[in-house]
Amino acid sequence: AQTVTQSQPEMSVQEAETVTLSCTYDTSESDYYLFWYKQPPSRQMILVIRQEAYKQQNATENRFSVNFQKAAKSFSLKISDSQLGDAAMYFCAYSPYNTDKLIFGTGTRLQVFP
Amino acid sequence: NAGVTQTPKFQVLKTGQSMTLQCAQDMNHEYMSWYRQDPGMGLRLIHYSVGAGITDQGEVPNGYNVSRSTTEDFPLRLLSAAPSQTSVYFCASSPTGYYGYTFGSGTRLTVV
Repeated sequence: AQTVTQSQPEMSVQEAETVTLSCTYDTSESDYYLFWYKQPPSRQMILVIRQEAYKQQNATENRFSVNFQKAAKSFSLKISDSQLGDAAMYFCAYSPYNTDKLIFGTGTRLQVFP
Repeated sequence: NAGVTQTPKFQVLKTGQSMTLQCAQDMNHEYMSWYRQDPGMGLRLIHYSVGAGITDQGEVPNGYNVSRSTTEDFPLRLLSAAPSQTSVYFCASSPTGYYGYTFGSGTRLTVV
């Protein structure tokens, strides 16, 4: 079965610093997509960044970037210049190619201190 | 452009009651899904649809029904509510899996 593991239930970072959230996944597929979603206290799920498995280049979106290691099945999220508004739950998700399914990890709660 | 709209935002049901959670999207997305979020378990897929008239089961389908008569709407029906169905429910839509999903704001359901 395909699974997604987020081994850090909670992380904290000081404002303006950099933090990395870890995610590993288990699959026998070669084509798939990976995502990071942010869930602030408002409960809204917000797409932060996505990665296609066949692309070796790591995705970046402004202050957010990923370190995608396909052989190690690792997909970590780096947040640079952390801001108070980055405080939220972050979920890593995997989607097999050409399917409608998202498989989520259990989430990492990120606290940002001034 | 409203995105994905879920109603109601909060609901309390008694055990055995039935109800329908509504979901509508105005982005002409083919893919729609329902997830439930429980503490410490992330989001789990209940049912999904790849287009009008086509639905399939996800990871936790028992106790729920869906139908997709139009591209815009994807209601989730609880047939006979149980306390184990107390959760936060999210509807999501996507043009294809590649783009990731746009989520609604969720429905917090409590079954007593």
